[in-house]
Amino acid sequence: RKEVEQDPGPFNVPEGATVAFNCTYSNSASQSFFWYRQDCRKEPKLLMSVYSSGNEDGRFTAQLNRASQYISLLIRDSKLSDSATYLCVVNSYSGNTPLVFGKGTRLSVIA
Amino acid sequence: IAGITQAPTSQILAAGRRMTLRCTQDMRHNAMYWYRQDLGLGLRLIHYSNTAGTTGKGEVPDGYSVSRANTDDFPLTLASAVPSQTSVYFCASSDSAGPDTQYFGPGTRLTVL
Repeated sequence: RKEVEQDPGPFNVPEGATVAFNCTYSNSASQSFFWYRQDCRKEPKLLMSVYSSGNEDGRFTAQLNRASQYISLLIRDSKLSDSATYLCVVNSYSGNTPLVFGKGTRLSVIA
Repeated sequence: IAGITQAPTSQILAAGRRMTLRCTQDMRHNAMYWYRQDLGLGLRLIHYSNTAGTTGKGEVPDGYSVSRANTDDFPLTLASAVPSQTSVYFCASSDSAGPDTQYFGPGTRLTVL
């Protein structure tokens, strides 16, 4: 099982829709979780950290389910500008990298 | 300078040539990283540095070397480029060496022919 797995998509949704992405991770000892956003041909940028109690930032809600080892990102009232690839990121205790990046889920919001 | 800068933005290189990708940050972050991003493979760590004067190997270090002479700069060198090193290269930094938020540079698009 890969350390971080995401549905690659693409998710094609109309403006105003609600869309949710899930990400599963394999290391039950992981403690830090993030969602990054990457626009086409640009660098990844932190969207939000994911806290145990769940957290919300405007239209974006992130949740953590430790028992099932997955994190989710919910986007409400999708905008055209939300079109991007969303990377799930988890801290790692193996190898030499402190963070493991998922391959990303691509979202296209359509007018 | 604000954040992380990388140079060049893009480069086309003949196989066998030596190339150094530059990365500079002005946030006084302790840790720095080099990743490559390839379609279908996501971001893969090449080398990292937890603090100035130290470096370590990541997931895919072969064919690459790094140095960290000071806090701000973390160059990545390809001693003899091969076509499989065609990729987008991102430099990143974080305040600490642990599972801290990483901030990325704009990337270098490298094509090796």
